[in-house]
Amino acid sequence: QVQLQESGPGLVKPSETLSLTCTVSGGSISSYYWSWIRQPPEKGLEWIGYISYSGSTNYNPSLKSRVTISIDTSKNQFSLKLNSVTAADTALYYCARETTSVRGVRLLDYWGQGTLVIVSS
Amino acid sequence: DIQMTQSPSSLSASVGDRVTITCRASQSITKYLNWYQQKPGKAANLLIFAASSLLSGVPSRFSGSGSGTDFTLTISSLQPEDFATYYCQQTYSTPWTFGQGTKVEIK
Repeated sequence: QVQLQESGPGLVKPSETLSLTCTVSGGSISSYYWSWIRQPPEKGLEWIGYISYSGSTNYNPSLKSRVTISIDTSKNQFSLKLNSVTAADTALYYCARETTSVRGVRLLDYWGQGTLVIVSS
Repeated sequence: DIQMTQSPSSLSASVGDRVTITCRASQSITKYLNWYQQKPGKAANLLIFAASSLLSGVPSRFSGSGSGTDFTLTISSLQPEDFATYYCQQTYSTPWTFGQGTKVEIK
């Protein structure tokens, strides 16, 4: 059973960089895409971006100037960096595995439990 | 970006009720539509992919339909464990986008 676990600081100061890591267990990080999604308190889901096992990335244009997603296949981990954070970046951050269904549709089939990041001084 | 609009935003229903949630895309996304269930404090769980394909292990009371711009998630007989928030998601083109969610509450 594939499991994902987010880790990183729960509190980040405004203007600093948010850094999170997702560790994948129960399966290889190879051959899939790996996404970050966030959910501000009492709000809906926002896709941040994904990285492939080979390192190609695709970011949400709304965050593109501030986001970097990287992957370390030797550790079965991928990471998120979001710089110049503000209070608006306070959210639950989820990592997830993205795959392609037999019908050719991309979907998020395994998710981490999420980690709350608060941006505050 | 493709905008996804769900309706209603919330609904109250009783156990055994038939529940229908709709999702409309701002442009055609053909079949590239997924449905997720999220319970408080938990990650979202995939229920239906490609508009109408039920993920293995998901109860058959859940069904999805639609194509193009209009989609529907139906729960044929609501069970206590189904009280949750439901999100649609398009993966037709990036950035992937979600609907704002439909909260299903106990009547």
